[in-house]
Amino acid sequence: GALVYQYPRRTICKSGTSMRMECQAVGFQATSVAWYRQSPQKTFELIALSTVNSAIKYEQNFTQEKFPISHPNLSFSSMTVLNAYLEDRGLYLCGAREGANQAPLFGEGTRLSVL
Amino acid sequence: GDSVTQTEGPVTVSESESLIINCTYSATSIAYPNLFWYVRYPGEGLQLLLKVITAGQKGSSRGFEATYNKETTSFHLQKASVQESDSAVYYCALGDNYAQGLTFGLGTRVSVFP
Repeated sequence: GALVYQYPRRTICKSGTSMRMECQAVGFQATSVAWYRQSPQKTFELIALSTVNSAIKYEQNFTQEKFPISHPNLSFSSMTVLNAYLEDRGLYLCGAREGANQAPLFGEGTRLSVL
Repeated sequence: GDSVTQTEGPVTVSESESLIINCTYSATSIAYPNLFWYVRYPGEGLQLLLKVITAGQKGSSRGFEATYNKETTSFHLQKASVQESDSAVYYCALGDNYAQGLTFGLGTRVSVFP
């Protein structure tokens, strides 16, 4: 079946350092990948959407300089949190779609703690 | 922008009782929004529970139902008789047909007791 794997599941980084998380689509072609963050006591907030052969689109309050994303092929995407601080804590979810009219499949998320 | 409002949790219900989680939406950037319910069971990832893309249609899965009501901009989730295994956090979300990102509600934590 179609699955999305994210790793690491949990990570801790020191304030001011960077952390890279990965998203792997298995059993389908991830033509679009969306990255979300769930901060404490909040819902899932869209960070950016990456579609193959198109520029990555970042939402307001999120920038490429802070959250660079790579989507090199139809099965893999990665996102880095650069210069992480306390406000970057949370659960980062990757949602991948094969195409239009397909509901996104989500990984289990990467939980980031910042010391 | 787009927004989703759902029942504020936590919701506690006894096994075999009925459950309803309200969800209303505002879609200002999407002409024909798709509506979703996702569920997160303890220790697991976010899973699609059901999806409806056409106004007036009903989606159902695992005993849960939700009807896309364009007039009231609602997509309430209902189950006639819950089980302990339905304890989870439920998220209402909206999106479009063109592989854009989803807008989620805050989530409703449901605890079902035997």
